[in-house]
Amino acid sequence: SQKIEQNSEALNIQEGKTATLTCNYTNYSPAYLQWYRQDPGRGPVFLLLIRENEKEKRKERLKVTFDTTLKQSLFHITASQPADSATYLCALALGGNTPLVFGKGTRLSVIA
Amino acid sequence: GAVVSQHPSWVICKSGTSVKIECRSLDFQATTMFWYRQFPKQSLMLMATSNEGSKATYEQGVEKDKFLINHASLTLSTLTVTSAHPEDSSFYICSARVIDNEQFFGPGTRLTVL
Repeated sequence: SQKIEQNSEALNIQEGKTATLTCNYTNYSPAYLQWYRQDPGRGPVFLLLIRENEKEKRKERLKVTFDTTLKQSLFHITASQPADSATYLCALALGGNTPLVFGKGTRLSVIA
Repeated sequence: GAVVSQHPSWVICKSGTSVKIECRSLDFQATTMFWYRQFPKQSLMLMATSNEGSKATYEQGVEKDKFLINHASLTLSTLTVTSAHPEDSSFYICSARVIDNEQFFGPGTRLTVL
């Protein structure tokens, strides 16, 4: 069966450390993958998109990797801050005009 | 990034009434918009895909006669919850996809049915 899993429901880290969130999928062949941040009571905010032919993408303190062999994406936040505390969602895009497939999210708490 | 707005941001209504939620892409045209529902502490659940000028495609289990979707222009899609009941209370979020496939979400609408 097709699955997309974000391995940790919740992750607590200390301020200043690097947070690493994992997204694994099975029985999908995504054309690209997107990461979002969602705060309570708000819609998701787009962070990064990485395509199947890209291995890594960066944006300020954020870095995303995409390994189509392992069927895994890693999302890193370096020098984490309490303001980074939120739920982070990964979403697979299967190409064309098909809807994104979302993971359940990882709730990140950065502790000062 | 592109901006998607939703109106209203929250609404409280009586059981049996209908509620309309608007979703607008403010600085781009969106041929496709998506409507999601999210219950507390759960992930986004896709309700339907809305294509400009054609009928929406609903996900399995979503009643198309209850959740009416209209995508009359390239910048506006509406979701009408007809004859709302307390179990329809949820957080409704729309999103729009831009040409290079990034998908942007609205801020969401909190619906409470009494």
